[in-house]
Amino acid sequence: DQQVKQNSPSLSVQEGRISILNCDYTNSMFDYFLWYKKYPAEGPTFLISISSIKDKNEDGRFTVFLNKSAKHLSLHIVPSQPGDSAVYFCAASGNSGYALNFGKGTSLLVTP
Amino acid sequence: DARVTQTPRHKVTEMGQEVTMRCQPILGHNTVFWYRQTMMQGLELLAYFRNRAPLDDSGMPKDRFSAEMPDATLATLKIQPSEPRDSAVYFCASALGGARTEAFFGQGTRLTVV
Repeated sequence: DQQVKQNSPSLSVQEGRISILNCDYTNSMFDYFLWYKKYPAEGPTFLISISSIKDKNEDGRFTVFLNKSAKHLSLHIVPSQPGDSAVYFCAASGNSGYALNFGKGTSLLVTP
Repeated sequence: DARVTQTPRHKVTEMGQEVTMRCQPILGHNTVFWYRQTMMQGLELLAYFRNRAPLDDSGMPKDRFSAEMPDATLATLKIQPSEPRDSAVYFCASALGGARTEAFFGQGTRLTVV
């Protein structure tokens, strides 16, 4: 049973615009959330994270928002660049275990 | 340049053969994960170790998969016998510390079982 869900398999955005990637989770014990970016033929690389004690974390063009009551988080990329084209995975973990639970990913295409 | 190293990068094997995938975690990292990526399931957790002890291998088909850490610098994932449905990309990742830390991934082993 998928505890972390990314319901949009793909997203296309024009360069310079905002990309918004969404993620939902079902396990209320999750308290740490991460976004990973993956290029073809490479492993996922860590992008940004957020703890459940916060509702926003920003790093340059990337901002993650967490809505605990809705069990929802989102990644905003502003402005989007062609080099951001990749698959983005949402992941979550809780203090009952060390493993990251991943969603199925959203493929982002940023067009010039 | 600290990174997780996986070998081989690609493996094509015939059904029924044994497959061994190897992973060298980042030096000093005490948590090692094995994930499998498929189109249908995304990134599935197969097993993970902390301080070389297996903590959870519930994601692995026990009859054919086994994961070990012979020492702190090597993790192995074996499939015996392999089946076509095992075809996927297998990732190893390592992490330092407890639950709220990011994991660093290797480049993966692309396994094709024909």
